[in-house]
Amino acid sequence: DQQVKQNSPSLSVQEGRISILNCDYTNSMFDYFLWYKKYPAEGPTFLISISSIKDKNEDGRFTVFLNKSAKHLSLHIVPSQPGDSAVYFCAATTGGAQKLVFGQGTRLTINP
Amino acid sequence: DAEITQSPRHKITETGRQVTLACHQTWNHNNMFWYRQDLGHGLRLIHYSYGVQDTNKGEVSDGYSVSRSNTEDLPLTLESAASSQTSVYFCASSEHRGGTYEQYFGPGTRLTVT
Repeated sequence: DQQVKQNSPSLSVQEGRISILNCDYTNSMFDYFLWYKKYPAEGPTFLISISSIKDKNEDGRFTVFLNKSAKHLSLHIVPSQPGDSAVYFCAATTGGAQKLVFGQGTRLTINP
Repeated sequence: DAEITQSPRHKITETGRQVTLACHQTWNHNNMFWYRQDLGHGLRLIHYSYGVQDTNKGEVSDGYSVSRSNTEDLPLTLESAASSQTSVYFCASSEHRGGTYEQYFGPGTRLTVT
């Protein structure tokens, strides 16, 4: 069973607009969530995270929103830039376990 | 600068051969992880270790083994390679500090089993 799901395999956004990537989870024990960015032929790199005690976390152009009742999180990128074109993975963990469960990934393409 | 490296970056092997993928980190992290990335599945956990002499099975551990003899290294061994193990393999490390759980990933090893 897929505990973390990213239902959109791909997303195309115009440069300068907002990109919104979505992620759903089923395990109510998850208490920490992360977003990773991956370029081709490279390893994933950490982007931003959020604890379940918060509903929003911002870092520059990146904001993550958490809706615990809906078991849903989203990543907003504003404004989108060409260098944001990559595959984005959401991940979740129960803090004590320290191991991450990843979604399938969403390929974001920023068009000029 | 601290880093995590993987070798080889590319490997082609034949069905039935034993293969070992290396992972080395200089972060001095206690936690180390192996994932495989396949289209439609994202990253799936193979094995992980919370410290020297500690190893644990992940979601897709069949056909794989690991050993942890020091802090820096967690080699992944495919006992008898199968075509279903053709994938990109990523090693990661982490340390739980200040309530954060970020893992730092290596560049990956692309393995092809023919």
